[in-house]
Amino acid sequence: DGGITQSPKYLFRKEGQNVTLSCEQNLNHDAMYWYRQDPGQGLRLIYYSQIVNDFQKGDIAEGYSVSREKKESFPLTVTSAQKNPTAFYLCASSIQSGNTGELFFGEGSRLTVL
Amino acid sequence: LAKTTQPISMDSYEGQEVNITCSHNNIATNDYITWYQQFPSQGPRFIIQGYKTKVTNEVASLFIPADRKSSTLSLPRVSLSDTAVYYCLVGFTGGGNKLTFGTGTQLKVEL
Repeated sequence: DGGITQSPKYLFRKEGQNVTLSCEQNLNHDAMYWYRQDPGQGLRLIYYSQIVNDFQKGDIAEGYSVSREKKESFPLTVTSAQKNPTAFYLCASSIQSGNTGELFFGEGSRLTVL
Repeated sequence: LAKTTQPISMDSYEGQEVNITCSHNNIATNDYITWYQQFPSQGPRFIIQGYKTKVTNEVASLFIPADRKSSTLSLPRVSLSDTAVYYCLVGFTGGGNKLTFGTGTQLKVEL
């Protein structure tokens, strides 16, 4: 089945460590997104990518980094510079151009800093 | 970028029709209006999308007035399983542009 796979589902990290969250899609979508969600809050955009080897900062990019070396993959690294990384992270994708499209979301990764 | 404003929460009872309104005063000409549903600890899922007038599918209707500065998601005969957060998203998703969600509306359905 086509879809978006995020891993791991749960991740624990010690302060000062970098962690990478995986996001893979087999929908042949051009655009991919990373969102952060805090308890009881909406989704905030971290980074997004419209095509391979290109990405842009969202509203809360500080302390995060991404890469887009393959169309199918858009990993997110939470660096030690992110002061409050405990949150629920969601990856999404959409068709790039030619139509309205819709966002397809993964099931999320919950990161807890110990 | 179009900013959206929604009520923070709404309460309803099973079998009632629920209407959730979203304001988006600075919507751009090529922006579409999309609504998503999110259950706890899950990714949002697409409900319905429209550009103008009325759109209906098997689960909801979307009403968009001529000026497009607001939109209303209508859920007919809600059930307990419709308890979720509903987000209004305005943008041109096909362009892969920056897509920013609002705070969403927590809908609680009771017996």
